[in-house]
Amino acid sequence: TQLLEQSPQFLSIQEGENLTVYCNSSSVFSSLQWYRQEPGEGPVLLVTVVTGGEVKKLKRLTFQFGDARKDSSLHITAAQPGDTGLYLCAGDGGSQGNLIFGKGTKLSVKP
Amino acid sequence: DSGVTQTPKHLITATGQRVTLRCSPRSGDLSVYWYQQSLDQGLQFLIQYYNGEERAKGNILERFSAQQFPDLHSELNLSSLELGDSALYFCASSARQGVHYGYTFGSGTRLTVV
Repeated sequence: TQLLEQSPQFLSIQEGENLTVYCNSSSVFSSLQWYRQEPGEGPVLLVTVVTGGEVKKLKRLTFQFGDARKDSSLHITAAQPGDTGLYLCAGDGGSQGNLIFGKGTKLSVKP
Repeated sequence: DSGVTQTPKHLITATGQRVTLRCSPRSGDLSVYWYQQSLDQGLQFLIQYYNGEERAKGNILERFSAQQFPDLHSELNLSSLELGDSALYFCASSARQGVHYGYTFGSGTRLTVV
C-alpha cells in the first residue's frame, strides 16, 4: 500500500518567517500534487510536479520533487496570515487510478 | 466557487438512518470522485465514476453505494449509519482520467450521526 507521510503535523509561526513542510514515501510516484485546504472548504490544487528534481514556484511558494520521485517539499518565504491552512500532498494511487493523500500539515501564521 | 456543487452542506441524522449526498461536477468534467475526511484518517478515497461507469473503488464500506447519472451528477448513499460515519464527505471532479490533471473539489457535506 502506498503511503504519504507529511511533516510536521502542525506548524505555528509568525508573519514574515520562512518554513518548509515535507511529504515522504517509500514508493515511487509518477507525479505529486500539493493542495491547500481552508476550514469549511475543499482542497484547492496548488501545483503538480512530474519530473524528478523538478522545482516549481508559485509566488512565495516553492515546490520541489525529489530526484527519486519519492518525496516532495513545499517552502514558503515570508509567510503571511493568508497562508494559514491545511497543506496536503497527494500522489497517484497506482492501479486504482485515483489520488491518495497524506494527512497534511496544519499551518498557522500569526500576524 | 470551484464549480463543483455539493448538497447539502450540513446533515445531522440518527444512527441506523440512510442519507443521500449529491454532487454536480464542474461543467465538462466526466470523472467524479468521492472522499471521506475525518480528523484521524485524513482524506480517504471511496469511489470513482467516469462517464457513468464505476472505475475504481477504495475503502468504501458495503453500507455505502454511489452512482453517476447520465447528466453526470453523482450521488453517494450511506445506509445503516453509525456514529463513526460522522465525517466530511467531499466530491471532486476532473476532465479526464489520470491523476496528473488534478482534481477540483466541492465544499463538502458535513455529516453528523447522533
